[in-house]
Amino acid sequence: DVKVTQSSRYLVKRTGEKVFLECVQDMDHENMFWYRQDPGLGLRLIYFSYDVKMKEKGDIPEGYSVSREKKERFSLILESASTNQTSMYLCASSLGLLSNQPQHFGDGTRLSIL
Amino acid sequence: AQRVTQPEKLLSVFKGAPVELKCNYSYSGSPELFWYVQYSRQRLQLLLRHISRESIKGFTADLNKGETSFHLKKPFAQEEDSAMYYCALTMDSSYKLIFGSGTRLLVRP
Repeated sequence: DVKVTQSSRYLVKRTGEKVFLECVQDMDHENMFWYRQDPGLGLRLIYFSYDVKMKEKGDIPEGYSVSREKKERFSLILESASTNQTSMYLCASSLGLLSNQPQHFGDGTRLSIL
Repeated sequence: AQRVTQPEKLLSVFKGAPVELKCNYSYSGSPELFWYVQYSRQRLQLLLRHISRESIKGFTADLNKGETSFHLKKPFAQEEDSAMYYCALTMDSSYKLIFGSGTRLLVRP
């Protein structure tokens, strides 16, 4: 069974801090994704990566960056946290061969920016 | 632009009643469509995908290209079906999922 692990379930940070959210998957998946989940808006893609050191912007990349130095790990970075980045953040992974492969999600990190 | 629309934020039914969660999409190519579900305090997980043409937990969904819809149906709802349901779309040769805003299904006893 695919395991996607996010380092924190809950995180509280202050405005202006640099915040790191970590995600690790154990199934050798090529693709990894970061979403934010907000009520009434569903899931919105922030960034995704289809290979080590490769990344592509999603729909809402502003204020975020990512890092993928190893295949199993995908980090989301909030360069200077702001209150409008308070949200639930979900990491996901999928096999890279075909577009119809399902994505497997982590438990999420609920981030509060004060 | 590609879009997935779930018109109902909340759908409330009684146990044993039929359920239909609506999903419409806008995309001119050949979409891959999925339903994901998130039960209380659990992670988001795949429920079914149209390419598999399968029934999972009694749910089915048929892709209607003429109406650009992928509605999720179950003839007899159970209380354990209460959850948040998301319809999602991928486009040709893309790994990106485009999600709808979700529908919360509440099945009352």
